[in-house]
Amino acid sequence: DGGITQSPKYLFRKEGQNVTLSCEQNLNHDAMYWYRQDPGQGLRLIYYSQIVNDFQKGDIAEGYSVSREKKESFPLTVTSAQKNPTAFYLCASSPPPERVTYNEQFFGPGTRLTVL
Amino acid sequence: AQSVAQPEDQVNVAEGNPLTVKCTYSVSGNPYLFWYVQYPNRGLQFLLKYITGDNLVKGSYGFEAEFNKSQTSFHLKKPSALVSDSALYFCAVRDRVGRRALTFGSGTRLQVQP
Repeated sequence: DGGITQSPKYLFRKEGQNVTLSCEQNLNHDAMYWYRQDPGQGLRLIYYSQIVNDFQKGDIAEGYSVSREKKESFPLTVTSAQKNPTAFYLCASSPPPERVTYNEQFFGPGTRLTVL
Repeated sequence: AQSVAQPEDQVNVAEGNPLTVKCTYSVSGNPYLFWYVQYPNRGLQFLLKYITGDNLVKGSYGFEAEFNKSQTSFHLKKPSALVSDSALYFCAVRDRVGRRALTFGSGTRLQVQP
């Protein structure tokens, strides 16, 4: 988990509220990703960003939004439009092409979101 | 579209015995393949990867995996299991072109009994 921080670790939300999950990395990685993990379904890609000020929808983007104003930060907002947001959310980053570890992704410790 | 299948939800093995966790994949071109491990309420930790070259890849903690192109498989193996290996294991794939995000399998829970 080193170098990628996610906060908070646990988050509780009432129905109808938007919440923002934080992801910060100090690894000087260019690409960042958000995944959602549900039991028995593995990880599914929500959004990803290859460079600052640019991001693309993943496989399950509906009800989520992101921004990438800084290289180090990639916050995820879970909006009230997300019908079933209770899940474990994982942020990841990967280094630029000149690094040996270019093809790897490095994961943060995750945020567990529960809708009350 | 790319996909990964992990056919076993759980694998049980006795400590000291060899273990295998199965993974098959589907991509349109040549794959990059990965194994990650997850302990409870934690992020994923990288174990090993296949990029090119030798089909047998060695990784962290004594794990290895064999890339089999004809069977589109990338099974994870370890000669002698430890109780501390008990965790959730994910296989992942990405195509060599296109988006850098990974596609993950559904995960296999490995339980090593003492």
